[in-house]
Amino acid sequence: NAGVTQTPKFQVLKTGQSMTLQCAQDMNHNSMYWYRQDPGMGLRLIYYSASEGTTDKGEVPNGYNVSRLNKREFSLRLESAAPSQTSVYFCASSEGPSSEDGYTFGSGTRLTVV
Amino acid sequence: ELKVEQNPLFLSMQEGKNYTIYCNYSTTSDRLYWYRQDPGKSLESLFVLLSNGAVKQEGRLMASLDTKARLSTLHITAAVHDLSATYFCAVDIFSSSGSARQLTFGSGTQLTVLP
Repeated sequence: NAGVTQTPKFQVLKTGQSMTLQCAQDMNHNSMYWYRQDPGMGLRLIYYSASEGTTDKGEVPNGYNVSRLNKREFSLRLESAAPSQTSVYFCASSEGPSSEDGYTFGSGTRLTVV
Repeated sequence: ELKVEQNPLFLSMQEGKNYTIYCNYSTTSDRLYWYRQDPGKSLESLFVLLSNGAVKQEGRLMASLDTKARLSTLHITAAVHDLSATYFCAVDIFSSSGSARQLTFGSGTQLTVLP
């Protein structure tokens, strides 16, 4: 059981470059999430998708876009990377609001913008 | 806006000692998670607390939830070096649209257990 798979695991970008972080889950979960984690801080929600075909902003959405490609995949795009977006990005999924099974997190993407 | 405050942020303790990490939150919620994170790693789920008065124990760790006080605690008993890590609490609430639940994290407690 792979759970939540994130690619790439590491990435270095130059300021102004764009890239897409990929996330896929194989648990048939309805909801998917993107978080960022900065040093010494907890995770902050960027965007989430309650179900296939829907996306909503979280706490820190500026500078990001997302796509819920299908039920399995939820991607995060940086259109013009900035040094302030240097962070560790975690994707997570859950069965849905009525489930008590909790959240499954991916292993993270460590992004450096220079 | 939901605020989640953990304290202490840094905790250095001797092996064999007991200590408690506190997690206060500002909005009504009946669901709270505790996670462990090792350096450079992802989050490992420790406890899911789903109702007022919930208490769960695993090894040397015990977590509790008081939804009326909006407080959760993570108690460490007879600490050992292997417990050194960063511990996060996360409060689970419905999104503003009501279509999904989402987690709001505390800042984390960096625990170091000294021999």
